[in-house]
Amino acid sequence: ETGVTQSPTHLIKTRGQQVTLRCSSQSGHNTVSWYQQALGQGPQFIFQYYREEENGRGNFPPRFSGLQFPNYSSELNVNALELDDSALYLCASSPIDRNNEQFFGPGTRLTVL
Amino acid sequence: DQQVKQNSPSLSVQEGRISILNCDYTNSMFDYFLWYKKYPAEGPTFLISISSIKDKNEDGRFTVFLNKSAKHLSLHIVPSQPGDSAVYFCAASANSNYQLIWGAGTKLIIKP
Repeated sequence: ETGVTQSPTHLIKTRGQQVTLRCSSQSGHNTVSWYQQALGQGPQFIFQYYREEENGRGNFPPRFSGLQFPNYSSELNVNALELDDSALYLCASSPIDRNNEQFFGPGTRLTVL
Repeated sequence: DQQVKQNSPSLSVQEGRISILNCDYTNSMFDYFLWYKKYPAEGPTFLISISSIKDKNEDGRFTVFLNKSAKHLSLHIVPSQPGDSAVYFCAASANSNYQLIWGAGTKLIIKP
């Protein structure tokens, strides 16, 4: 059974640029959630995708957007990067009937200079 | 406004003794609580959960206690082992909502 994978592992961008982070969900999982974890804090929910549609969103501006593909993999796109976007971005997958049991990838560390 | 609080940033426990990690919440709509463990350079790993209809759930060395009146839950690990050294996060959700609200985490250090 393949777990959740994320790419890239680390990324450095400058203010104003755009970034795309990728996630492959665990086998058999059809729901993907994205979280932002700033240093010293717990993860903050960004949004969730189910059947290629956004299935709920946290308190993040529209410049944070996402996609889910037919194979349940997902992308997180962030436009007009700001310094405060520097964080660990975590992807988690889950079966829709057990949405609370989320399995996390190792994360992508984004640094915005 | 932190709805889930873990007030101890770190905790040091002797190997073999009991580790008790605490979590407080403010939202009375929360009905499902989870504990995750996180090692450096890895994503959080699900550890144990509890529904608000219960006050205790046990899984091997791990037991979670829920006190709804106090809006408090705790994770007990006994006996503590060196591999338990990690950051532990408490998370909560309301009405089977997918949105998990997380605490800031407690770093547990098990001393040999």
